[in-house]
Amino acid sequence: NAGVTQTPKFQVLKTGQSMTLQCAQDMNHNSMYWYRQDPGMGLRLIYYSASEGTTDKGEVPNGYNVSRLNKREFSLRLESAAPSQTSVYFCASRYVGHEQYFGPGTRLTVT
Amino acid sequence: AQSVTQLGSHVSVSEGALVLLRCNYSSSVPPYLFWYVQYPNQGLQLLLKYTTGATLVKGINGFEAEFKKSETSFHLTKPSAHMSDAAEYFCAVAQAGTALIFGKGTTLSVSS
Repeated sequence: NAGVTQTPKFQVLKTGQSMTLQCAQDMNHNSMYWYRQDPGMGLRLIYYSASEGTTDKGEVPNGYNVSRLNKREFSLRLESAAPSQTSVYFCASRYVGHEQYFGPGTRLTVT
Repeated sequence: AQSVTQLGSHVSVSEGALVLLRCNYSSSVPPYLFWYVQYPNQGLQLLLKYTTGATLVKGINGFEAEFKKSETSFHLTKPSAHMSDAAEYFCAVAQAGTALIFGKGTTLSVSS
């Protein structure tokens, strides 16, 4: 099993550009999550999907949209990137337990 | 609302010394508690978890943590540090069916 995969690994955007971060899991997990990690801030929840067909806002949803394409895939879209969105983005998934399994991350820089 | 406080953003120890990383939480209901480790340029890996039952929890790489309800703490320990333990450590709390709430992390440095 590949676990949780994320693409791309690195991305540089100019202010105002858009992009979609992709996440997929092959563990048949019901719930999926998007976090951002900033120095000294820990991980903050952007959006989550408790099950296929549902999405909900987390702590810091402004400037982002998500799509739960199917049970495996959960994408994060930045419609108009801003320098404040420079961060490392992590996708995670969870089954019936409470621990989450994380992908390797996407390092995004917005100039 | 739940929250997690990790005391000390940086902890430095010598190789072979005791590792103690502190975590306090607030939760209105019995919590589920986790410690994750993040090595440079990698994702987060689960070290150990407490859900119910025994309050002393053993994890990977020789780490353990004790849930103390009276102190609302879940401190992470390892008797003898190794150079390979140098990483960032995150404490997290969850309630049933919700996402994890993370502390701000503690960077562990190990010197020879």
